[in-house]
This record gives sequence, structure tokens and C-alpha cells, in this order.
Amino acid sequence: AQSVTQLDSHVSVSEGTPVLLRCNYSSSYSPSLFWYVQHPNKGLQLLLKYTSAATLVKGINGFEAEFKKSETSFHLTKPSAHMSDAAEYFCVVSGGKIIFGKGTRLHILP
Amino acid sequence: NAGVTQTPKFQVLKTGQSMTLQCAQDMNHEYMSWYRQDPGMGLRLIHYSVGAGITDQGEVPNGYNVSRSTTEDFPLRLLSAAPSQTSVYFCASSRTDSGEQYFGPGTRLTVT
Repeated sequence: AQSVTQLDSHVSVSEGTPVLLRCNYSSSYSPSLFWYVQHPNKGLQLLLKYTSAATLVKGINGFEAEFKKSETSFHLTKPSAHMSDAAEYFCVVSGGKIIFGKGTRLHILP
Repeated sequence: NAGVTQTPKFQVLKTGQSMTLQCAQDMNHEYMSWYRQDPGMGLRLIHYSVGAGITDQGEVPNGYNVSRSTTEDFPLRLLSAAPSQTSVYFCASSRTDSGEQYFGPGTRLTVT
């Protein structure tokens, strides 16, 4: 069985400061891992994905994530937050079934 | 390419009514899935399919049926709607289970 846990339901950061959204996963297989973003009243967009190549994955809009097998984590980071980053972010694990985390809502303070 | 299409966009049902949410994709993707999105719950997998003729249950399958007679279409049936099924429903497709998923625009369903 596989599962994914997003450790924070809400994160607030000031514009220009780093962003860290935390995700832990559990999987019987070697998983594929994803981060998706959903802006208010919009659809879901893929930010980045890990599929057993490099452990540091770069995505769109300056986001990146590091796969750490020993910690079963796949945290999402960005060096400097922009107002446009305010959205809900979902960590996703795939190994047969595709399972979403409950989401982290990112608030950007001016 | 239209991508993933869903109909209807909005629907109001009375308790006990049945209906089918339609989903179609024109990308020849094998993997298709249905999710429901509720506040604070993320997207929960209802049913998924790895190819025509093959379906399986997700995390929250009760009250929903699916079938996959063609690669393109993956309808979701609500047999007897309940207020607990009020939600936003998303259909998604991908080439494989490890590929990027493409999402439809969603169906907002209200059951009164």
C-alpha cells in the first residue's frame, strides 16, 4: 500500500523569503513522486516529478524538490517566494494507484 | 487536441437520483482516473483504469461505478446520489501511472 503525508496544511511566508513544503511518502515499490499546484478556481498543473533519475528535481517557476529515500521525503522548496506562488500544493505518490496528499495552502505575505 | 473533457460542468441532484459524469481524452492515454476534491481532503481517488476493460477501486469507491469500454472514455456513475457525494469531481489521464496526469476542468456536483 502507498500513502503520502503533507506535514503542513497551511504555510505562510513573506515575499522574497524561502519556501519549504514538506511531504513524506510510503510505498512498497520504487515510487514515482510528483508535486502539483492548484491556483484558486483553476485546474491542477504539474510542477515537477521524480522517476528514479536524479534525486534533485527542478520544476517550473523556480521550484525544486529533493528525493531522500532514507527519510522517505520529497520536500518542495523555492529560494524566493513571489505573490503569484500563493496556491494549494499537492504531493503525489504513484506505484499502480496515484495517491494525492491532502494539500498545503501557501500564503505569501507582502 | 482537446485534452481531457468532462461534462457537465455543474449538476444539482436530489437524493436518490442517479447520473453519469462523462470523461473523455484524445491523447491515447492508457491510465485514467476519477478523483473527488473536498476542502481539507485533497484529491481522493475513486476509481482508476490502466486500460480498456480494466478498472480498479481507489480510496473512496463506495457509491460509484465505472467502466472502460474504450481507451478514450471513462464515465463515472452515481447509482443513488447522497448529500455526502456533494463535491468537485476531476477526471485525469496519463500515459502510464508514472507519467504526468492531465486533468479535466472538473464537475461541481451538489446533492440536496
